[in-house]
Amino acid sequence: DARVTQTPRHKVTEMGQEVTMRCQPILGHNTVFWYRQTMMQGLELLAYFRNRAPLDDSGMPKDRFSAEMPDATLATLKIQPSEPRDSAVYFCASAKPLDSYNEQFFGPGTRLTVL
Amino acid sequence: SQQGEEDPQALSIQEGENATMNCSYKTSINNLQWYRQNSGRGLVHLILIRSNEREKHSGRLRVTLDTSKKSSSLLITASRAADTASYFCATGANSKLTFGKGITLSVRP
Repeated sequence: DARVTQTPRHKVTEMGQEVTMRCQPILGHNTVFWYRQTMMQGLELLAYFRNRAPLDDSGMPKDRFSAEMPDATLATLKIQPSEPRDSAVYFCASAKPLDSYNEQFFGPGTRLTVL
Repeated sequence: SQQGEEDPQALSIQEGENATMNCSYKTSINNLQWYRQNSGRGLVHLILIRSNEREKHSGRLRVTLDTSKKSSSLLITASRAADTASYFCATGANSKLTFGKGITLSVRP
């Protein structure tokens, strides 16, 4: 049963600390998305990659957020330094080749709390 | 900015009734998708309708798309308690999806 996996599932940290979230897309999916979900803003696209290359990271605060795909099986989202307003659920999703209009498969999310 | 806006924000119905949820959007799209999210989980894809389609069915789901009105509706027939979740419409354009804020559906047993 192919699934997107994310680690950690929960993270509590203090303001100023570095946070790294990891995602393993479904094998064979070449497009990976990072989303952030909050009650106020809903689901926001932060960045996405195709064939490991960043295509769009305009939704991401550049000064503290960074997203990478070191290889086809791993995507990372890093926040440094973290702030209380970064508290949210962060989702990774992947999609099959051909085009990203196909359905996206979401991971279970990382619930981040920054104190 | 949010592209899709769902209506109503919350819906409560009795098991066995039909649930209708609406989505409106502002700009041209390639396709429109509906997703479900159970509490504490990730989103799950339900159905996709392309811009040149008007209606699509999948099991108890029926989705319509009216590109002239820039709107879509999702109908869940014969609802079950297990359908209780948040439902999101997402518009596809420029190689990405933009999600609405979602509709909370409660199905009472």
